[in-house]
Amino acid sequence: DAKTTQPTSMDCAEGRAANLPCNHSTISGNEYVYWYRQIHSQGPQYIIHGLKNNETNEMASLIITEDRKSSTLILPHATLRDTAVYYCIVSQVYNFNKFYFGSGTKLNVKP
Amino acid sequence: DAGVTQSPTHLIKTRGQQVTLRCSPKSGHDTVSWYQQALGQGPQFIFQYYEEEERQRGNFPDRFSGHQFPNYSSELNVNALLLGDSALYLCASSYQQQGFGTEAFFGQGTRLTVV
Repeated sequence: DAKTTQPTSMDCAEGRAANLPCNHSTISGNEYVYWYRQIHSQGPQYIIHGLKNNETNEMASLIITEDRKSSTLILPHATLRDTAVYYCIVSQVYNFNKFYFGSGTKLNVKP
Repeated sequence: DAGVTQSPTHLIKTRGQQVTLRCSPKSGHDTVSWYQQALGQGPQFIFQYYEEEERQRGNFPDRFSGHQFPNYSSELNVNALLLGDSALYLCASSYQQQGFGTEAFFGQGTRLTVV
């Protein structure tokens, strides 16, 4: 599976959009981009995933660049409850729930 | 609809003992993976079960073994516990027969402390 690079931490003001970048320059054509978050040692929570098109759901939007070498997770209106570690994961299509987690980005949402 | 449930939530064991952790996947899910998460680190993949067989395995010793039952629930067994096995153990489930690119859901984990 391709490696990902994420900033160690980011700050965001409550109510503003949080944009979390992820670099996956070695991604291959059969690999999906997944985003999970983990709040204070709870189980990771699924956010969104995509192959090459931009995706949106009730939680967030995923923007994947045309060359697929990077992506951005957007939380449109961050709240204090969005403070968590966010993991960007690249996983081959047949891996299903087998993921390699990196260190993630600690998002701090501040009042 | 219950999500992924794990039991017990907390466990304390002594070095050298054996432990069994349990996971019930989300309703309709047929594939289960187990992860170990040490304090301050991301989860590490241990192994994956599908159709009652171990399909993929991460870099963990044979002391870590598992089982999947016909109802898709799963167990993780760890023998000869070491202090370094202290961690949060997570179970993830997904529906493989739905096809590629499906989301996986995680349980809340079992916190194992080895003393």
